[in-house]
Amino acid sequence: DTEVTQTPKHLVMGMTNKKSLKCEQHMGHRAMYWYKQKAKKPPELMFVYSYEKLSINESVPSRFSPECPNSSLLNLHLHALQPEDSALYLCASSPGTANSPLHFGNGTRLTVT
Amino acid sequence: EDQVTQSPEALRLQEGESSSLNCSYTVSGLRGLFWYRQDPGKGPEFLFTLYSAGEEKEKERLKATLTKKESFLHITAPKPEDSATYLCAARGNTGKLIFGQGTTLQVKP
Repeated sequence: DTEVTQTPKHLVMGMTNKKSLKCEQHMGHRAMYWYKQKAKKPPELMFVYSYEKLSINESVPSRFSPECPNSSLLNLHLHALQPEDSALYLCASSPGTANSPLHFGNGTRLTVT
Repeated sequence: EDQVTQSPEALRLQEGESSSLNCSYTVSGLRGLFWYRQDPGKGPEFLFTLYSAGEEKEKERLKATLTKKESFLHITAPKPEDSATYLCAARGNTGKLIFGQGTTLQVKP
């Protein structure tokens, strides 16, 4: 069992819908991440939060909006997505030091119709 | 530019047939080299961190080693349950985690 919990596991949404992905960790980690992963590709970084502040945005389109309400929670708000946004969305956390590994959740499988 | 390359892309082994996966990296100021295992439809599961050349880490049938340019993941007497995609990632002075493309391992009984 992973210590990073993501909900929902699966999500199907239309291009006009608004939905949110949620992530929670209780390891006391100070950095949290959103990644996008397409089939047979490695994870691609989207956003990094460090001490609850957005520190990296990898030029992600504004239809993806991250939020970090507190040090344990991370949300990704979705609006007006395109079919090509269908992917596995992974949340990860780490202690925040450069030499520490990321710990991933099991992701949300998103399908945009 | 920081880069991580894994080979082979895919590997098929018979149960018990030992082999190695390669991860070549070009990273300025290596802070850590990480190995992950990913099962279909799941997130990557952390396996090992290596920090300096000569370091080795072991877990069950897996052993990871590190040189100044490469890391190897040795799999000894693999079992079907070792079938997965193995991802290598490196972090250098930029702080960004760079992933390789992964090696998909299939172990047949």
